Amino acid sequence: SAVISQKPSRDICQRGTSLTIQCQVDSQVTMMFWYRQQPGQSLTLIATANQGSEATYESGFVIDKFPISRPNLTFSTLTVSNMSPEDSSIYLCSVERDGNTIYFGEGSWLTVV
Amino acid sequence: GENVEQHPSTLSVQEGDSAVIKCTYSDSASNYFPWYKQELGKRPQLIIDIRSNVGEKKDQRIAVTLNKTAKHFSLHITETQPEDSAVYFCAASPGGYQKVTFGTGTKLQVIP
Repeated sequence: SAVISQKPSRDICQRGTSLTIQCQVDSQVTMMFWYRQQPGQSLTLIATANQGSEATYESGFVIDKFPISRPNLTFSTLTVSNMSPEDSSIYLCSVERDGNTIYFGEGSWLTVV
Repeated sequence: GENVEQHPSTLSVQEGDSAVIKCTYSDSASNYFPWYKQELGKRPQLIIDIRSNVGEKKDQRIAVTLNKTAKHFSLHITETQPEDSAVYFCAASPGGYQKVTFGTGTKLQVIP
């Protein structure tokens, strides 16, 4: 398994502001993944974060809106920029271990008002 | 890319009955199929997974079956209990750090 900590766990944000979510893993991993789960919806991959290189973004997600950092093999951040109410979601950090198994962090519940 | 369809979207069963959730996938390269349970206000938790070299896997009251020819896999929960009430997601992946694609979710309600 994996111990994945995320901060903040919840936040209420004003529209137009930006928020950075932190993800800390208990041991080194090659890749870290960021997912978004909009209310009542499934999980959608935002981007894959590799240490030492630019993140790879999925269709519909851009770096200007969701900049990602990966300074080392146990830590990553996701910033949600210039937030609007449509960005109200759960943001989940995840890692792959034990032969393709995806483990999720505790999640960051964001509400944009 | 991969497309995972899941049904039903909602499922109500009486306590003690069985529940079955079905998923289909499109990419024949997918070889790893996990199932996640998400309780209200919590993160998704892996409950069982199956790989393409196995047709069935069981863990106590939970079992998953895979038919690679037909590209579908199913979750079976027997002797359901109220604590099984949650949203369940299936997923498919080619593995090797490639993208995991999730189904749309099934809200299971177990009625006491």
